[in-house]
Formats: sequence, C-alpha cells, structure tokens
Amino acid sequence: EIVMTQSPATLSVSPGERATLSCRASQSVSSNLAWYQQKPGQAPRLLIYGASTRATGIPARFSGSGSGTEFTLTISSLQSEDFAVYYCQQYNNWRGAFGQGTKVEIK
Amino acid sequence: EVQLVESGGGLVKPGGSLRLSCAASGFTFSSYSMNWVRQAPGKGLEWVSSISSSSSYIYYADSVKGRFTISRDNAKNSLYLQMNSLRAEDTAVYYCARVTESYDSTRKQYYYYMDVWGKGTTVTVSS
Repeated sequence: EIVMTQSPATLSVSPGERATLSCRASQSVSSNLAWYQQKPGQAPRLLIYGASTRATGIPARFSGSGSGTEFTLTISSLQSEDFAVYYCQQYNNWRGAFGQGTKVEIK
Repeated sequence: EVQLVESGGGLVKPGGSLRLSCAASGFTFSSYSMNWVRQAPGKGLEWVSSISSSSSYIYYADSVKGRFTISRDNAKNSLYLQMNSLRAEDTAVYYCARVTESYDSTRKQYYYYMDVWGKGTTVTVSS
C-alpha cells in the first residue's frame, strides 16, 4: 500500500506571497501524481496531473514538480480565491491514495 | 455540460444498507473508468473504489472490501455503490469522479486523474 504524506498540515501565507506545498510517497509513483484544491462545502477540483501538467483552466500561478517520491505544488502569488485545502493523490496503481491535505490560510 | 450527480444518501442504522447512484451526462460514460471517493466530516479525502470502463477491473479500499460493491450500467450512464454492513465510520460525503487517462509522448507514460467530480451525497450511519 502506497502512503502519501503532505507537509505542512497548515500553511499561513499573506496574499501575493508564494506558497510551497510538499507531498511524499512511501514508494515511487513515477510521475503519476495529481493535486486537487477543495474549498469548504465544495467538491475537489483538479489542478495538476502527471506531477506538473496544469489541468484545463488552471491559472499559470499554479505549478507542480517532482517525480518518484517527492513532489511540490507551488502557488507563485496567492490570490484570495486560493485559500483552500490542497490534496495530492497518487495514481501509479488503481488504489489512488490521497495525502491528508494542506490547508492554506490567510496570514 | 459534463456533469455527475450523486443520489441515494441518507441516514441509516449501523449494520444497514444503502445504494448510492451517480448519473453521468455530457460525455461518453462508457469510455471512462470511474471512482468513488469519500470524505468524513472534518477529514480528508479517501479513495473508496474504482471500476474500469467495461467493469473488467474493480478495486476497493481495505476499509470497505467485502462490504461495498461498485458497479455500473453503461446503457443508463450510471455508476453505483452498494454499501452493506454499514458502520459509524462510513459516515461521509460520497463523491463519484470520472477518471481520465492521458498519454505523455515525451515521457512515454500514461497518467490517470479525476477531472470531473459530482457535488456529493451525504451518508450518515447512526442509531
């Protein structure tokens, strides 16, 4: 079973600043890693797939990097609508485990 | 418009059963694998089950294996989750999600991701 671990659990950032979120897999998932954003009361929204490809309609301030076991989601300049919870998810096998999430809150 | 709409949630007693449905529209349902993902109150996302486009491949999380059954009816553009022997810890919002496959010719690799989600249906297991 692949376990995904995200850090930090909470990230306090001021609007306009950069946010860097980390995700680690317990074993290699190659580049089969996706990032999702979830706001309160809403379904998750796909941001990044293949570790670094932005989904349709996702702003360029969101970028993903990494492969193997270490991955990063970077939000270059936080906008008010970006304060949310972010989840990574591996899809190297059918059992698509999620990380526990990182909450990005306003500092 | 591409859309997924879940239904069938509700309040059920421990040990009871419930059947969730997910109606798909706006895309060729029979061409996509589908997932169920759940979220307990105040908690993170948990993958529950996957089914391939033709139902040839089915997978379950250990937490639901033997109690939940995923199925689909491509003629009706519908996905289902039969939940038996329900426990308090099954209380959650249940989402259905479409799995899209994408091929990266540079890396020579297939990627899979959930690009369309329903709004969810709430299941509460309580006496």
